[in-house]
Amino acid sequence: KAGVTQTPRYLIKTRGQQVTLSCSPISGHRSVSWYQQTPGQGLQFLFEYFSETQRNKGNFPGRFSGRQFSNSRSEMNVSTLELGDSALYLCASSHPLGLAGMSSYNEQFFGPGTRLTVL
Amino acid sequence: EDKVVQSPLSLVVHEGDTVTLNCSYEVTNFRSLLWYKQEKKAPTFLFMLTSSGIEKKSGRLSSILDKKELFSILNITATQTGDSAVYLCAVLTSGTYKYIFGTGTRLKVLA
Repeated sequence: KAGVTQTPRYLIKTRGQQVTLSCSPISGHRSVSWYQQTPGQGLQFLFEYFSETQRNKGNFPGRFSGRQFSNSRSEMNVSTLELGDSALYLCASSHPLGLAGMSSYNEQFFGPGTRLTVL
Repeated sequence: EDKVVQSPLSLVVHEGDTVTLNCSYEVTNFRSLLWYKQEKKAPTFLFMLTSSGIEKKSGRLSSILDKKELFSILNITATQTGDSAVYLCAVLTSGTYKYIFGTGTRLKVLA
């Protein structure tokens, strides 16, 4: 079974630009979550998508947005990049949390991440 | 505000030592607690705990949850250099079904 894939793996942008990151979940997983990981803040939840709808959102500004397609692939967009957006962006897939009968499927599988550097 | 706190932040030990990593949490609507190991890239799943007092074991690693005192520990016995990594603790809340991660414990095992 193929794992979670993320593209690109590395990205260098300048302040003010925008960026789009992509995540393909494990086949059969319909929930995709995005996280930002920085040395100082650890892993911080950005948002979660299920069935093409954003179900949960963390405490990030509106410059961070995402979407999910009918095949469960997800994209994350960051507009007007700031230096502080430099981080490892991780995507994780799972069976949809809270779905009736799926309560045991709480494990998230992470992709390798996209390392974004903003200059 | 929901939070997960891990301690220590970092730890250096020698091969063969036993280590205990701590994770305490304050969340509303606790559902489960998960431990992950992160080397250079993606975190990999270690354990999921939902019930108090039941130890989960996998080889030299074990973990237990105390829902009354709101903490979990991860034990690693007979450590090896390959155990060097950041160990992450996460709590899954029901209701909003969010994962809240701690900042991790960085473990370095010296040969």
